[in-house]
Amino acid sequence: DAGVTQSPTHLIKTRGQQVTLRCSPKSGHDTVSWYQQALGQGPQFIFQYYEEEERQRGNFPDRFSGHQFPNYSSELNVNALLLGDSALYLCASNRMGQEVSNQPQHFGDGTRLSIL
Amino acid sequence: AQSVAQPEDQVNVAEGNPLTVKCTYSVSGNPYLFWYVQYPNRGLQFLLKYITGDNLVKGSYGFEAEFNKSQTSFHLKKPSALVSDSALYFCAVLTTNAGKSTFGDGTTLTVKP
Repeated sequence: DAGVTQSPTHLIKTRGQQVTLRCSPKSGHDTVSWYQQALGQGPQFIFQYYEEEERQRGNFPDRFSGHQFPNYSSELNVNALLLGDSALYLCASNRMGQEVSNQPQHFGDGTRLSIL
Repeated sequence: AQSVAQPEDQVNVAEGNPLTVKCTYSVSGNPYLFWYVQYPNRGLQFLLKYITGDNLVKGSYGFEAEFNKSQTSFHLKKPSALVSDSALYFCAVLTTNAGKSTFGDGTTLTVKP
């Protein structure tokens, strides 16, 4: 049973470019959340997707956008990259539902994005 | 708004000694509390959670945590530390229906032989 998978593992971009990161949730999960983890900090919530819609959003600018596909996989897009966007981007999945809303999220190993 | 504080950036203990990694939280309503561990270049691995019930929660790898509502704390503990426990530990809070986790800034645990 595959867990959460993310691609690519590492990515190097320059300022002003655009990037797309991908995530496949754990089997049986229908909800995907994205987090940004800057060096020396805890993960910061970017947004969450469920039923192909953005359900919640953290304090991130519109340059950060996403998408969820019918197979529950998700993409994170970042436009007009800034040096400060350099971070580990984590994807987490869980199964939405009242009785499991408190279940721990399963995390992927992340995509390390470096902006030059 | 919910928040989590991990007051110690670094905790150093000798192998075989007990360890404590501290966490306090602020949230309106009933909190769901979690501890995760992160090894270098890896994602977060779930250790344990408090939802309701017994204030002492037991988790993976011999870790446990004590929920204290009056002190709004959820400290991670282990009776006897191993060198392999050395890693970055995160406390997180999830509120009902929120669906998003709020994390502390992490505590680096170093266990020396």
